[in-house]
Amino acid sequence: ETGVTQTPRHLVMGMTNKKSLKCEQHLGHNAMYWYKQSAKKPLELMFVYSLEERVENNSVPSRFSPECPNSSHLFLHLHTLQPEDSALYLCASSQFPWGGSTGELFFGEGSRLTVL
Amino acid sequence: ILNVEQSPQSLHVQEGDSTNFTCSFPSSNFYALHWYRWETAKSPEALFVMTLNGDEKKKGRISATLNTKEGYSYLYIKGSQPEDSATYLCAFHNQGGKLIFGQGTELSVKP
Repeated sequence: ETGVTQTPRHLVMGMTNKKSLKCEQHLGHNAMYWYKQSAKKPLELMFVYSLEERVENNSVPSRFSPECPNSSHLFLHLHTLQPEDSALYLCASSQFPWGGSTGELFFGEGSRLTVL
Repeated sequence: ILNVEQSPQSLHVQEGDSTNFTCSFPSSNFYALHWYRWETAKSPEALFVMTLNGDEKKKGRISATLNTKEGYSYLYIKGSQPEDSATYLCAFHNQGGKLIFGQGTELSVKP
Protein backbone atom coordinates (compact mmCIF):
# COMPACT_ATOMS: atom_id res chain seq x y z
CA GLU A 1 0.00 0.00 0.00
CA THR A 2 1.12 3.53 -0.65
CA GLY A 3 0.19 7.01 0.47
CA VAL A 4 -2.45 7.85 3.02
CA THR A 5 -5.44 5.56 3.44
CA GLN A 6 -8.61 6.32 5.36
CA THR A 7 -11.35 3.99 6.53
CA PRO A 8 -14.25 3.87 6.39
CA ARG A 9 -14.89 5.93 3.27
CA HIS A 10 -18.52 6.44 4.28
CA LEU A 11 -20.09 6.35 7.72
CA VAL A 12 -23.66 6.94 8.85
CA MET A 13 -24.22 7.18 12.58
CA GLY A 14 -26.87 8.19 15.05
CA MET A 15 -26.30 10.93 17.59
CA THR A 16 -25.82 8.43 20.41
CA ASN A 17 -23.39 6.13 18.60
CA LYS A 18 -19.67 5.82 19.17
CA LYS A 19 -17.56 5.30 16.07
CA SER A 20 -14.00 5.86 14.93
CA LEU A 21 -12.29 7.04 11.77
CA LYS A 22 -8.93 5.52 10.95
CA CYS A 23 -6.01 6.92 9.00
CA GLU A 24 -2.79 5.15 8.05
CA GLN A 25 0.21 6.63 6.25
CA HIS A 26 2.85 4.54 4.51
CA LEU A 27 5.21 7.42 3.75
CA GLY A 28 7.38 7.49 6.87
CA HIS A 29 6.12 10.98 7.71
CA ASN A 30 6.42 12.63 11.10
CA ALA A 31 3.25 14.74 11.30
CA MET A 32 -0.39 13.79 10.83
CA TYR A 33 -3.47 15.97 10.62
CA TRP A 34 -7.26 15.85 10.75
CA TYR A 35 -9.13 18.35 8.60
CA LYS A 36 -12.87 18.86 8.30
CA GLN A 37 -14.61 20.01 5.16
CA SER A 38 -18.21 21.14 5.40
CA ALA A 39 -20.16 22.02 2.27
CA LYS A 40 -18.91 25.19 0.56
CA LYS A 41 -16.42 25.95 3.33
CA PRO A 42 -12.62 25.86 3.35
CA LEU A 43 -10.79 22.95 4.88
CA GLU A 44 -10.69 23.48 8.65
CA LEU A 45 -7.76 22.18 10.66
CA MET A 46 -8.91 20.13 13.64
CA PHE A 47 -5.86 18.42 15.13
CA VAL A 48 -2.14 18.06 14.47
CA TYR A 49 0.13 15.33 15.78
CA SER A 50 3.85 15.85 15.37
CA LEU A 51 6.24 13.07 16.40
CA GLU A 52 3.21 11.40 18.03
CA GLU A 53 2.48 14.37 20.30
CA ARG A 54 -0.63 16.50 19.85
CA VAL A 55 0.60 19.98 19.00
CA GLU A 56 -2.57 21.63 17.81
CA ASN A 57 -6.18 21.42 18.91
CA ASN A 58 -8.09 24.00 16.94
CA SER A 59 -10.93 24.58 19.43
CA VAL A 60 -12.58 21.31 18.49
CA PRO A 61 -15.50 20.10 20.68
CA SER A 62 -14.70 17.24 23.02
CA ARG A 63 -17.11 14.93 21.18
CA PHE A 64 -14.18 14.55 18.73
CA SER A 65 -11.26 12.74 20.34
CA PRO A 66 -8.05 12.08 18.38
CA GLU A 67 -5.56 9.31 19.08
CA CYS A 68 -2.11 8.76 17.58
CA PRO A 69 -0.71 5.43 18.83
CA ASN A 70 2.35 5.61 16.55
CA SER A 71 3.69 7.74 13.72
CA SER A 72 1.82 5.76 11.05
CA HIS A 73 -1.68 5.69 12.53
CA LEU A 74 -4.18 8.35 13.48
CA PHE A 75 -7.72 7.87 14.76
CA LEU A 76 -10.63 10.21 15.28
CA HIS A 77 -13.05 8.86 17.87
CA LEU A 78 -16.60 10.17 17.53
CA HIS A 79 -19.15 10.27 20.34
CA THR A 80 -22.57 11.93 20.67
CA LEU A 81 -22.18 13.90 17.48
CA GLN A 82 -24.66 16.41 16.14
CA PRO A 83 -26.18 16.51 12.65
CA GLU A 84 -24.11 19.63 11.93
CA ASP A 85 -20.98 17.49 12.32
CA SER A 86 -21.85 15.79 9.04
CA ALA A 87 -18.94 16.54 6.75
CA LEU A 88 -15.95 15.09 4.91
CA TYR A 89 -13.08 14.35 7.29
CA LEU A 90 -9.67 14.34 5.67
CA CYS A 91 -6.49 12.94 7.12
CA ALA A 92 -3.11 14.20 5.93
CA SER A 93 0.56 13.69 6.70
CA SER A 94 3.74 15.66 6.12
CA GLN A 95 7.36 14.64 6.13
CA PHE A 96 8.73 16.97 8.74
CA PRO A 97 7.42 17.74 12.20
CA TRP A 98 4.92 20.58 12.62
CA GLY A 99 6.51 23.88 11.73
CA GLY A 100 9.69 22.18 10.59
CA SER A 101 9.48 22.94 6.91
CA THR A 102 7.29 24.14 4.11
CA GLY A 103 6.68 20.60 2.83
CA GLU A 104 3.35 19.80 1.28
CA LEU A 105 0.59 17.72 2.83
CA PHE A 106 -0.30 14.29 1.53
CA PHE A 107 -4.01 13.64 1.92
CA GLY A 108 -6.21 10.60 2.16
CA GLU A 109 -9.43 10.40 0.17
CA GLY A 110 -11.53 11.28 3.18
CA SER A 111 -14.29 9.75 5.26
CA ARG A 112 -17.77 11.07 4.46
CA LEU A 113 -19.67 11.22 7.75
CA THR A 114 -23.43 11.58 8.05
CA VAL A 115 -24.96 12.08 11.48
CA LEU A 116 -28.68 11.36 11.68
CA ILE B 1 -8.17 36.48 11.77
CA LEU B 2 -6.32 34.92 8.86
CA ASN B 3 -8.29 35.02 5.61
CA VAL B 4 -7.35 33.28 2.42
CA GLU B 5 -9.60 34.25 -0.47
CA GLN B 6 -9.81 32.55 -3.82
CA SER B 7 -11.51 33.86 -6.92
CA PRO B 8 -13.49 33.04 -8.85
CA GLN B 9 -15.40 30.41 -6.85
CA SER B 10 -16.16 28.50 -10.04
CA LEU B 11 -15.13 28.66 -13.65
CA HIS B 12 -16.46 26.96 -16.77
CA VAL B 13 -14.23 26.94 -19.85
CA GLN B 14 -14.02 25.16 -23.17
CA GLU B 15 -11.28 22.68 -23.98
CA GLY B 16 -8.27 24.57 -25.27
CA ASP B 17 -9.00 27.80 -23.37
CA SER B 18 -6.34 29.17 -21.10
CA THR B 19 -7.46 30.23 -17.66
CA ASN B 20 -6.17 31.69 -14.44
CA PHE B 21 -7.38 32.21 -10.91
CA THR B 22 -6.28 34.11 -7.85
CA CYS B 23 -5.39 33.40 -4.26
CA SER B 24 -5.16 36.34 -1.82
CA PHE B 25 -3.54 35.94 1.56
CA PRO B 26 -2.17 38.07 4.42
CA SER B 27 1.04 39.82 3.40
CA SER B 28 2.57 39.59 6.88
CA ASN B 29 3.99 36.59 8.69
CA PHE B 30 4.44 34.72 5.39
CA TYR B 31 6.20 31.37 5.30
CA ALA B 32 4.91 29.57 2.20
CA LEU B 33 2.01 29.32 -0.23
CA HIS B 34 0.68 25.92 -1.33
CA TRP B 35 -1.48 25.01 -4.33
CA TYR B 36 -3.41 21.73 -4.42
CA ARG B 37 -5.58 20.08 -7.04
CA TRP B 38 -8.58 18.12 -5.80
CA GLU B 39 -10.44 15.91 -8.23
CA THR B 40 -13.86 14.62 -7.27
CA ALA B 41 -13.77 11.45 -5.14
CA LYS B 42 -9.98 11.60 -4.91
CA SER B 43 -7.53 13.11 -2.43
CA PRO B 44 -6.12 16.63 -2.78
CA GLU B 45 -2.67 16.54 -4.39
CA ALA B 46 0.02 19.18 -4.06
CA LEU B 47 0.91 21.11 -7.19
CA PHE B 48 3.33 23.69 -5.86
CA VAL B 49 4.86 24.98 -2.65
CA MET B 50 6.18 28.50 -3.10
CA THR B 51 8.30 30.40 -0.63
CA LEU B 52 10.07 33.32 -2.33
CA ASN B 53 8.58 36.60 -3.50
CA GLY B 54 8.58 36.61 -7.30
CA ASP B 55 8.77 32.83 -7.44
CA GLU B 56 7.37 31.17 -10.54
CA LYS B 57 6.77 27.43 -10.74
CA LYS B 58 5.65 25.27 -13.64
CA LYS B 59 4.38 21.71 -14.02
CA GLY B 60 3.38 20.85 -17.57
CA ARG B 61 0.63 23.25 -18.65
CA ILE B 62 0.12 24.59 -15.12
CA SER B 63 2.15 27.42 -13.68
CA ALA B 64 1.96 29.68 -10.65
CA THR B 65 3.38 33.01 -9.55
CA LEU B 66 3.81 34.51 -6.12
CA ASN B 67 3.79 38.07 -4.76
CA THR B 68 4.32 37.99 -1.01
CA LYS B 69 4.52 41.78 -0.60
CA GLU B 70 1.00 42.35 -1.86
CA GLY B 71 -0.31 38.95 -0.77
CA TYR B 72 -1.44 37.17 -3.92
CA SER B 73 -0.66 34.19 -6.10
CA TYR B 74 -1.94 33.34 -9.57
CA LEU B 75 -2.43 29.87 -10.98
CA TYR B 76 -2.46 29.57 -14.78
CA ILE B 77 -3.58 26.67 -16.91
CA LYS B 78 -2.63 26.83 -20.57
CA GLY B 79 -4.83 25.01 -23.09
CA SER B 80 -7.25 23.51 -20.55
CA GLN B 81 -8.19 19.87 -20.98
CA PRO B 82 -11.20 17.99 -19.52
CA GLU B 83 -8.84 16.17 -17.16
CA ASP B 84 -7.95 19.54 -15.60
CA SER B 85 -11.48 19.69 -14.18
CA ALA B 86 -11.03 19.82 -10.41
CA THR B 87 -11.13 22.15 -7.44
CA TYR B 88 -7.91 24.11 -7.00
CA LEU B 89 -7.06 25.00 -3.42
CA CYS B 90 -4.49 27.42 -2.17
CA ALA B 91 -3.20 27.43 1.39
CA PHE B 92 -1.25 30.08 3.27
CA HIS B 93 1.45 28.75 5.56
CA ASN B 94 2.27 31.27 8.27
CA GLN B 95 5.37 31.42 10.40
CA GLY B 96 3.50 29.89 13.32
CA GLY B 97 3.18 26.69 11.34
CA LYS B 98 -0.52 26.89 10.50
CA LEU B 99 -1.76 26.09 7.01
CA ILE B 100 -4.91 28.09 6.24
CA PHE B 101 -6.89 26.99 3.19
CA GLY B 102 -8.98 29.05 0.84
CA GLN B 103 -12.40 27.94 -0.29
CA GLY B 104 -11.12 26.77 -3.65
CA THR B 105 -11.84 27.49 -7.30
CA GLU B 106 -13.92 24.81 -9.00
CA LEU B 107 -12.84 24.44 -12.63
CA SER B 108 -14.96 22.65 -15.22
CA VAL B 109 -13.50 22.11 -18.70
CA LYS B 110 -15.97 21.08 -21.39
CA PRO B 111 -14.81 19.05 -24.39
